[in-house]
Amino acid sequence: GAVVSQHPSRVICKSGTSVKIECRSLDFQATTMFWYRQFPKQSLMLMATSNEGSKATYEQGVEKDKFLINHASLTLSTLTVTSAHPEDSSFYICSAPTRTSSYEQYFGPGTRLTVT
Amino acid sequence: RKEVEQDPGPFNVPEGATVAFNCTYSNSASQSFFWYRQDCRKEPKLLMSVYSSGNEDGRFTAQLNRASQYISLLIRDSKLSDSATYLCVVIGYSTLTFGKGTMLLVSP
Repeated sequence: GAVVSQHPSRVICKSGTSVKIECRSLDFQATTMFWYRQFPKQSLMLMATSNEGSKATYEQGVEKDKFLINHASLTLSTLTVTSAHPEDSSFYICSAPTRTSSYEQYFGPGTRLTVT
Repeated sequence: RKEVEQDPGPFNVPEGATVAFNCTYSNSASQSFFWYRQDCRKEPKLLMSVYSSGNEDGRFTAQLNRASQYISLLIRDSKLSDSATYLCVVIGYSTLTFGKGTMLLVSP
């Protein structure tokens, strides 16, 4: 069964609004979670590393004030897309390291964001 | 040279065929390598890890060639259900990079 969940799975919002995406580890604790986005026909791109109890680490080119990450607990990380624009429309996926290896990841099912 | 490169395909093969994909990487200090499978509009799922000594899991064999900086995935006796995009993942000291994926289409 799924060990990482995401909510919502699909969201449509208007330009200028904010959208929150939740990523939960279901039966294990994750001090670190990762957020990616995938544009059509492109690869997954790591956006940021979410750290429980400290600030997220953002990849180069990702605006930290636009993509707010909060690792509220050992099982929950949230990504908030603020003041969304149509170019933010994408597939957002989170992952958490497996219990056996920090290099292997359990991926969430993804959230399809469409900004109109 | 891009950090991680894959032939996008698609590779069209009949059922039962053997097919192989390569993935090249530019950072010689890369530490860990994985193959993921991604179905259309779904999240990637770990297929297998890649070790220098090779790794075999049923019909799937993964190899790492550090000298030439590439990893490979071999699928034997292809099934219709193998149709998907196969992503390689290369992990360095502080980086995690996905390839763009290779699409495989297995036909009856």
